[in-house]
Amino acid sequence: DQQVKQNSPSLSVQEGRISILNCDYTNSMFDYFLWYKKYPAEGPTFLISISSIKDKNEDGRFTVFLNKSAKHLSLHIVPSQPGDSAVYFCAASGRSGGSYIPTFGRGTSLIVHP
Amino acid sequence: KAGVTQTPRYLIKTRGQQVTLSCSPISGHRSVSWYQQTPGQGLQFLFEYFSETQRNKGNFPGRFSGRQFSNSRSEMNVSTLELGDSALYLCASSYRQGMNTEAFFGQGTRLTVV
Repeated sequence: DQQVKQNSPSLSVQEGRISILNCDYTNSMFDYFLWYKKYPAEGPTFLISISSIKDKNEDGRFTVFLNKSAKHLSLHIVPSQPGDSAVYFCAASGRSGGSYIPTFGRGTSLIVHP
Repeated sequence: KAGVTQTPRYLIKTRGQQVTLSCSPISGHRSVSWYQQTPGQGLQFLFEYFSETQRNKGNFPGRFSGRQFSNSRSEMNVSTLELGDSALYLCASSYRQGMNTEAFFGQGTRLTVV
């Protein structure tokens, strides 16, 4: 049972346009959310995060939106660049039986065309 | 500064054997987490060590164990290997304990069980 779902395995966008990557979660105990980017043959790299007390966090071209009532978050990349082509993982964490367990989605492969 | 280093990069083992993977975190980082990445299950959390103590544990059998040394280096051990243990094993380090912090990933160890 996936607690963090990225329903789009892939996304294709033209350079300069907006990329929107979506993530849904089911566990209401999650209170911190992160996005990671992964290039082939490399480990994931941290991109941006958001706490459940906020609904938006911005860092340059990257903005994460959190809708707690819908248990949904999204990552917006504006403008998209070819170097943004990578797999993006959504991750969530929260207390579970006294431990802090991070849970990852299965990733969305973003391709930005020049 | 140097990133997270995982050794070896690639490993082939036979069913029933045991394996030890190593992770050297970024200097000054005291938290080391381990993840298993497979095509079918995505990125799954194994455990986290902080100051030589296991602080969090994912839902994996007891065949998966780990430890952390006083210099924060960590090792992960898998005993009685099964074919299904074939995966990319990623290590991540962070300055603070828990998922509510940026983690830096290594390139991973690709384990193949035959």
